[in-house]
This record gives sequence, structure tokens and C-alpha cells, in this order.
Amino acid sequence: DAGVIQSPRHEVTEMGQEVTLRCKPISGHNSLFWYRQTMMRGLELLIYFNNNVPIDDSGMPEDRFSAKMPNASFSTLKIQPSEPRDSAVYFCASQSGNTGELFFGEGSRLTVL
Amino acid sequence: RKEVEQDPGPFNVPEGATVAFNCTYSNSASQSFFWYRQDCRKEPKLLMSVYSSGNEDGRFTAQLNRASQYISLLIRDSKLSDSATYLCVVNSVGDDMRFGAGTRLTVKP
Repeated sequence: DAGVIQSPRHEVTEMGQEVTLRCKPISGHNSLFWYRQTMMRGLELLIYFNNNVPIDDSGMPEDRFSAKMPNASFSTLKIQPSEPRDSAVYFCASQSGNTGELFFGEGSRLTVL
Repeated sequence: RKEVEQDPGPFNVPEGATVAFNCTYSNSASQSFFWYRQDCRKEPKLLMSVYSSGNEDGRFTAQLNRASQYISLLIRDSKLSDSATYLCVVNSVGDDMRFGAGTRLTVKP
């Protein structure tokens, strides 16, 4: 199995630019989670989907952040416009319906200058 | 109050030591509990699930105390390779999965 695939692995961009992060969950997993990790705040849950439907987006910092899951095999997290304080590692994880275990991608490290 | 709280450490212990971590959670309706391990600059990976009756996997023991709303992880005979950050995970509301801040462990020779 390929596992959860995220892209890009690294992105450096300038303040004000649009950033799109991508995630392909494990086939057969019905839930998908987006997290942001920083030294100061740890792993924060941004949003999660069940069967492609957003269930809880209360963790999304502000309107600059948006997430979509158009089908069971693809999700995006978009930041527009990006700001330096958005610099973090963004993780996508899909969840096994049998065990509840989260499987993480390798993360997308974002630096906003 | 944060939904899931952990002592961030760091814990610095010698090889062979026994070390224990606790994690408290705020939602008494939480049903699922896990411990994850995260190595530096890597993604978190499941260490073990936590069951109501407690469970053991080799040198690792996890326990759940619903009355006091905490979970614990005990590592016996610690190895150098146990050095990592240990994260507790609790489902808070519905199916969401919320992480504690993590406890950093360093095992020294």
C-alpha cells in the first residue's frame, strides 16, 4: 500500500501568495484529517471529512484557509493569501474505519517569507 | 482549558529506566484513546491503542482512568531508540481526533 501521499513536501513562498497543499488518503479510508504542527502550538486539528463531507472546520484559523474533498481519493488545503505566521508543517491523515488508527502522510513543510 | 493536556517534558532518563507519561482529557464522553510516537522531522505513527482494561505491548503499558479522565503510558527498560516525542490522542467530539502537545523523551547511555 502506498500510504497517505502529500504534496508538496516543501514549499517556500512569499507573503500574499496562494498556497495549495494536496493529499491522497489510503484507499478505503472514509475519514480524512488536516493538522498543522508548530513548535509553539503542537498538532492542531484544522478540519476533518467523513465520506468527503466536512464535519468540523472549527479549527480552521480564519477565512484565508479553505479545504475541499471533491472525491474519496483527493483533498486540498488552500491558504489565500498566505502570511508568515502560517509557516508550519501541515499533515494529512486518513483513518481506518476498523481500528480508528490515523495514518499520516509525511507532511508539507510550508515557509512563508 | 485545552481538550487534551500533556506534560511537555523533556524527560531525560538513562538506559534501562522506567518512565511514565500522563495525559488528561476534558470531554468525559470521549471513547477512543491512542498513544503515538513522533521522531524528529517525521510524521506521527501509532504506538498503541488504549483500551478500558489497560493493555501491554512488550515494554509498553497503556492505561485508561475514566473517572479521573487521564491515560498513561509506561515504558520499562527504556532503550536509546525510545527517544522521541510521545503524543496522546483522544477523540473529543464525535469522530474528531485531538492530540496533546507531546512529551519529549531522551534516553541516554
